Amino acid sequence: SAVISQKPSRDICQRGTSLTIQCQVDSQVTMMFWYRQQPGQSLTLIATANQGSEATYESGFVIDKFPISRPNLTFSTLTVSNMSPEDSSIYLCSITQGSLGHTDTQYFGPGTRLTVL
Amino acid sequence: EDQVTQSPEALRLQEGESSSLNCSYTVSGLRGLFWYRQDPGKGPEFLFTLYSAGEEKEKERLKATLTKKESFLHITAPKPEDSATYLCALRGAGNNRKLIWGLGTSLAVNP
Repeated sequence: SAVISQKPSRDICQRGTSLTIQCQVDSQVTMMFWYRQQPGQSLTLIATANQGSEATYESGFVIDKFPISRPNLTFSTLTVSNMSPEDSSIYLCSITQGSLGHTDTQYFGPGTRLTVL
Repeated sequence: EDQVTQSPEALRLQEGESSSLNCSYTVSGLRGLFWYRQDPGKGPEFLFTLYSAGEEKEKERLKATLTKKESFLHITAPKPEDSATYLCALRGAGNNRKLIWGLGTSLAVNP
């Protein structure tokens, strides 16, 4: 499977500031996904990012709060804007890769642990 | 509505004590059931995909099975390094590639 890296691995930020998280994949992929995992919770999909088009956001997530860029087939960024302590989470980048015609499997990056004070 | 429920929430085993984790689901048209392992503060690590009832897959001490209503992750003779949270997710026919996730089972294996 592809190798996925994220930067930064962790950060501590002040309320009201913004943080941009980078996701780099070592091969070209069509679809990239951004997830949030709040403490003690499972994964929640924020948005799907296809190269060359606007990201598609899930219910409860808006572009003004979580702007996403997808400039090419190996890279994406997620910005968490005007942060509050409720944004403290692990943010995960994910890709899909198919397997012999079966439904695609999702693979995840190592995550970015964000703490907002 | 597609749904995934994992049990138990937490499980503590002694090294070598085999057990099973459960993932119950409801879905309209299963397109895949996925098991992941997640270590604290890390991204989920893919383990298995199951597509149809009766299918089984194995990897080292782990074996995943699937019926029409649930999946089991069997852990045989676990070691302390198997301690992690195990997540189950599924993709249904109507989900447009969106995975539905369970809350996970936190497994601790004591030496």
